[in-house]
Amino acid sequence: ILNVEQSPQSLHVQEGDSTNFTCSFPSSNFYALHWYRWETAKSPEALFVMTLNGDEKKKGRISATLNTKEGYSYLYIKGSQPEDSATYLCAFRNQGGKLIFGQGTELSVKP
Amino acid sequence: EPEVTQTPSHQVTQMGQEVILRCVPISNHLYFYWYRQILGQKVEFLVSFYNNEISEKSEIFDDQFSVERPDGSNFTLKIRSTKLEDSAMYFCASTLETSGRNEQYFGPGTRLTVT
Repeated sequence: ILNVEQSPQSLHVQEGDSTNFTCSFPSSNFYALHWYRWETAKSPEALFVMTLNGDEKKKGRISATLNTKEGYSYLYIKGSQPEDSATYLCAFRNQGGKLIFGQGTELSVKP
Repeated sequence: EPEVTQTPSHQVTQMGQEVILRCVPISNHLYFYWYRQILGQKVEFLVSFYNNEISEKSEIFDDQFSVERPDGSNFTLKIRSTKLEDSAMYFCASTLETSGRNEQYFGPGTRLTVT
């Protein structure tokens, strides 16, 4: 059974802090890894899709790296702002498009 | 910007009743999905749908569940006889292709409460 794990489960930081979280996934039969940002009552928002070992992606203050050989991805947020407060989900995608999600990291940024 | 929409946002139903959850995927997308999240658990895959057929389904997706694309724009999930354990947030998603760096776009979800 494919298992995707995220850590930590929750994170509380002060405005201006930089933070990072981890997504672990099976290193065999890798196809793609997705990161989503999800605020309550809204649609999960696509952040990145990563497919190649060594991929690095950036969107504003958020960036992500991918290591498919060891089965992990890191998401970094530089200079966290209160509006970054959300749950960050990673998902391993198989060839048919099915996403297998981690449990998410809930980020809370205090002003 | 195109988006996936879902209705209703919240549905309350009694055990044993049938429910239909509705989704309008992004118009030029070809692959459609349903996921659900039971409170406190991971988002889990239910079913994928392409070319008017189910392409993959999970063990959760038993005979009580069915999907349909009745008119080329809507994509529905039907639960024939709801159980208490079907209470969850149900998400619809769509994508243009399953290859490469194609995003899968999610709707805001329907919260289903079975009493």
